[in-house]
Amino acid sequence: SQKIEQNSEALNIQEGKTATLTCNYTNYSPAYLQWYRQDPGRGPVFLLLIRENEKEKRKERLKVTFDTTLKQSLFHITASQPADSATYLCALDMSGSARQLTFGSGTQLTV
Amino acid sequence: DAGVIQSPRHEVTEMGQEVTLRCKLISGHNSLFWYRQTMMRGLELLIYFNNNVPIDDSGMPEDRFSAKMPNASFSTLKIQPSEPRDSAVYFCASSPGLAGGTGELFFGEGSRLTVL
Repeated sequence: SQKIEQNSEALNIQEGKTATLTCNYTNYSPAYLQWYRQDPGRGPVFLLLIRENEKEKRKERLKVTFDTTLKQSLFHITASQPADSATYLCALDMSGSARQLTFGSGTQLTV
Repeated sequence: DAGVIQSPRHEVTEMGQEVTLRCKLISGHNSLFWYRQTMMRGLELLIYFNNNVPIDDSGMPEDRFSAKMPNASFSTLKIQPSEPRDSAVYFCASSPGLAGGTGELFFGEGSRLTVL
């Protein structure tokens, strides 16, 4: 069955360091992958999208990589700040229709 | 734009009661998604609409759940009768059409449902 796994439920990191979050998926080849941020009591907020033909995408202190061979995406936050503390979710379209996102369980980052 | 608006933000009800959750889409978006989030199962897609038409409701857990989109800007999710295991945060999200968007979802702030 199709599956999305995020590396750990919680990640603690020192301010100023780079946080690296992992998203692995199985049994599918998505056309793109998305990352969202969710704060307590709030809805998820879109951060970045990376397509299957892109190796890397950057936005300010955020960087996402997408390795379709390994079936893995890495999400990096450089120079992390306490304000980066949140739960980060990866999401894939696993339906083939480019319309339905399946979300990973999320990684809770504490800086 | 005000973003996706959900109501109520919090609902506490007793088992067996009917619950109606409401969602107003972002103007111009033509896809609407209902998700449910729990600690155990994370974010699960319940149903999605495109141009007011339900496309896939395979995530709706039981016949007790129903969703409608009476017009292009509004949707409801109804649970009748409600059960304690329905307790969760229900999110509505909208998305522009494929031609104008990248599949990015815009979420509301959620409706936290507690069924006693």
